[in-house]
Amino acid sequence: DAGVIQSPRHEVTEMGQEVTLRCKPISGHNSLFWYRQTMMRGLELLIYFNNNVPIDDSGMPEDRFSAKMPNASFSTLKIQPSEPRDSAVYFCASSRDRGLAYGYTFGSGTRLTVV
Amino acid sequence: AQKVTQAQTEISVVEKEDVTLDCVYETRDTTYYLFWYKQPPSGELVFLIRRNSFDEQNEISGRYSWNFQKSTSSFNFTITASQVVDSAVYFCALRGGNAGNMLTFGGGTRLMVKP
Repeated sequence: DAGVIQSPRHEVTEMGQEVTLRCKPISGHNSLFWYRQTMMRGLELLIYFNNNVPIDDSGMPEDRFSAKMPNASFSTLKIQPSEPRDSAVYFCASSRDRGLAYGYTFGSGTRLTVV
Repeated sequence: AQKVTQAQTEISVVEKEDVTLDCVYETRDTTYYLFWYKQPPSGELVFLIRRNSFDEQNEISGRYSWNFQKSTSSFNFTITASQVVDSAVYFCALRGGNAGNMLTFGGGTRLMVKP
């Protein structure tokens, strides 16, 4: 099992540019989560998909952020336009959703720097 | 609402000392799961343990042990004979049905083990 795969590992972009982060969940996992980690706010849940459908996006900071899951093996998190305060590590995680027993498997994260 | 509190933001010990990381949680669910994750300096989030709310038996895995006490809503993590490689940020997390099966993380405890 290849685990949760995120790309790119690092992204440096200029303020105002569009940024797209990518995630491939573990095959057979039907829940997918996007988290953001910063020193100030710790790990924050941005959005949660179940069976490719967005269930809770209340953590998405503002309209500049959008996430899609067109199929069970791929998700994107897009920031347009990006701002310096978006600099953070963005984690994707997946889980089986048959009850509560399963923890999440996290990807290695994408470190985003907006200058 | 769910909440996880890790009151110790940073702990420093000398190698071979025992160290306990505290975790206190709040939930209205009667069925829930508790987790510990490790985040080493490389940045990935590594699953360590899962415990369900009906199983208060303590667990030991090598130098790691976990003490779950429902009466005090605590799920503490002890590392015996700490090693430099244990240096990391450790997160306690809670997953309960009333939060839409989402994982709620504590703020993390940074453990520094000095040689």
